[in-house]
Amino acid sequence: EAGVAQSPRYKIIEKRQSVAFWCNPISGHATLYWYQQILGQGPKLLIQFQNNGVVDDSQLPKDRFSAERLKGVDSTLKIQPAKLEDSAVYLCASSLVGWQGAYEQYFGPGTRLTVT
Amino acid sequence: DAKTTQPPSMDCAEGRAANLPCNHSTISGNEYVYWYRQIHSQGPQYIIHGLKNNETNEMASLIITEDRKSSTLILPHATLRDTAVYYCIVKSNFNKFYFGSGTKLNVKP
Repeated sequence: EAGVAQSPRYKIIEKRQSVAFWCNPISGHATLYWYQQILGQGPKLLIQFQNNGVVDDSQLPKDRFSAERLKGVDSTLKIQPAKLEDSAVYLCASSLVGWQGAYEQYFGPGTRLTVT
Repeated sequence: DAKTTQPPSMDCAEGRAANLPCNHSTISGNEYVYWYRQIHSQGPQYIIHGLKNNETNEMASLIITEDRKSSTLILPHATLRDTAVYYCIVKSNFNKFYFGSGTKLNVKP
């Protein structure tokens, strides 16, 4: 079975520029997650989708970050404009239905963003 | 949402068992304990999960105390490739994972 795909793997931009990341989850996984992982810290959930609806975006900085999951499959995460503190690895994960129960999340390789 | 506490780092000799502890004293009755690991520059990898009973799979064993306030991940015969950051996570409702800072396991020859 194919894993979670992410692109690009690396991105370097200047502050105040815009950037977008793409994620393709495992086929059949209804739930998709975006995490931000700053160097030396554990991943922090930014947003969680159930099909194409948002379940939780409480930690998404909505003044500059946006995410969408059209048609309930692929997803994009955008930062506009970027700040230096946005330098991090952005991880996408997917799982089966995200309600109560035991469903492990499968992670992609991540996109390493450097803001200069 | 339940939080977890783990030691920041541990050492283990190659071939020996690695026992990684985790405290989750505020866990609720229906919340699962998950363990993931993250090898440098890769996404987190699922290891094992449990609710009340001890669990074992081809990678590891998970021992959960009777009061469910703590757990231990056991890698029975650690190899150099097991060097990674290990995260203990309590899964909330709606499948939300809260990662702490994890334990950096150093397996030494």
